[in-house]
Amino acid sequence: GEDVEQSLFLSVREGDSSVINCTYTDSSSTYLYWYKQEPGAGLQLLTYIFSNMDMKQDQRLTVLLNKKDKHLSLRIADTQTGDSAIYFCAESSSGYNKLIFGAGTRLAVHP
Amino acid sequence: DGGITQSPKYLFRKEGQNVTLSCEQNLNHDAMYWYRQDPGQGLRLIYYSQIVNDFQKGDIAEGYSVSREKKESFPLTVTSAQKNPTAFYLCASSIQRAGGGHEQFFGPGTRLTVL
Repeated sequence: GEDVEQSLFLSVREGDSSVINCTYTDSSSTYLYWYKQEPGAGLQLLTYIFSNMDMKQDQRLTVLLNKKDKHLSLRIADTQTGDSAIYFCAESSSGYNKLIFGAGTRLAVHP
Repeated sequence: DGGITQSPKYLFRKEGQNVTLSCEQNLNHDAMYWYRQDPGQGLRLIYYSQIVNDFQKGDIAEGYSVSREKKESFPLTVTSAQKNPTAFYLCASSIQRAGGGHEQFFGPGTRLTVL
């Protein structure tokens, strides 16, 4: 079945860039998403990318998609303490009404 | 303000009791979802509904039940048959984009603790 994998933990210094990686198995994925979850809260959609795109930039966020390798990454420029959270990668396929989530990457930002 | 509300935020239950978690949305979304999140784990789909009066089991439906009598509401009942119900429960709703995207919007969650 479909699977989405992420590394579980990332630690970065404030002001550096963070790169969170994700791999997926479903070659028919049409949309890929990044969500952010702060402690005790729901998930907030950060950005998404359509599968025919290689890159999408939105302010401090850059999403890179390598469809051949089924690899997705989220780069956060100038990481701040407020970026500390769990980041989830998710994918959906055309005609398939569910999202498949990864286990989440916990980003810790230290001074 | 449009959004998804879940209530209560914290819920305590004795073993053997059923409990119902509320989820309401005013986004006019057709589809709604219930997920369970355990510490250090991702989201697991319990049930989802694509339209009023219709719903499907997700990956971990055993011990749970839902109803979808109104477009705005998708309550989840955690029954006594659920062996390990202590978890964080998240409700979501979605719009469908042309081309197959399902952008889901999440509520703030309900933390259920069984005593």
